[in-house]
Amino acid sequence: QLQLQESGPGLVKPSETLSLTCTVSGGSISSSSYYWGWIRQPPGKGLEWIGSIYYSGSTYYNPSLKSRVTISVDTSKNQFSLKLSSVTAADTAVYYCARHVITRFDPWGQGTLVTVSS
Amino acid sequence: QTVVTQEPSFSVSPGGTVTLTCGLSSGSVSTSYYPSWYQQTPGQAPRTLIYSTNTRSSGVPDRFSGSILGNKAALTITGAQADDESDYYCVLYMGSGIYVFGTGTKVTVL
Repeated sequence: QLQLQESGPGLVKPSETLSLTCTVSGGSISSSSYYWGWIRQPPGKGLEWIGSIYYSGSTYYNPSLKSRVTISVDTSKNQFSLKLSSVTAADTAVYYCARHVITRFDPWGQGTLVTVSS
Repeated sequence: QTVVTQEPSFSVSPGGTVTLTCGLSSGSVSTSYYPSWYQQTPGQAPRTLIYSTNTRSSGVPDRFSGSILGNKAALTITGAQADDESDYYCVLYMGSGIYVFGTGTKVTVL
């Protein structure tokens, strides 16, 4: 059964870069036809797609975040990562990773809370 | 910027039926947007209910169904139960690798 687990610092200072990793177990991140995505949810608010990386390495980003987002994959570690630069308090959220195809996001990681504060 | 709109909240009686919708700020939702629906309870990751408009995910009770109603995607809960009290989100595929989540609907069962 495929499982995803987010990891990274829970506290980031304003203007710095948020870095998270999603570790995939129970399957290969190199499996064809799958995308690997990041989604976030500010406290008490809705879900927002951040971006995704295809197994081939192609990346797709939310236009509203594109200038600050980088998603990469490390097939040797079966991980993919998110970097979000120049963070502000508005980037405080629970960050989820998920595998997806065009039709659905599934499964999801359990999520990790990242707080932006000095 | 495309906005995917959902009703902020709905209340349904136990055993009742409720239909949530997922619309576009500009244009109509069709099957080409591959609408999917997710259920989220507090502190938990979302759970896939419906994908490709009307396909139930594995293990999802058949009281959940998806469709296109008019110019929107729709999620219908028939015979609502107490544990259906959750937040529900739709997602639309906009093409070119871009996805947009809906604003979410809070469903209360009482």
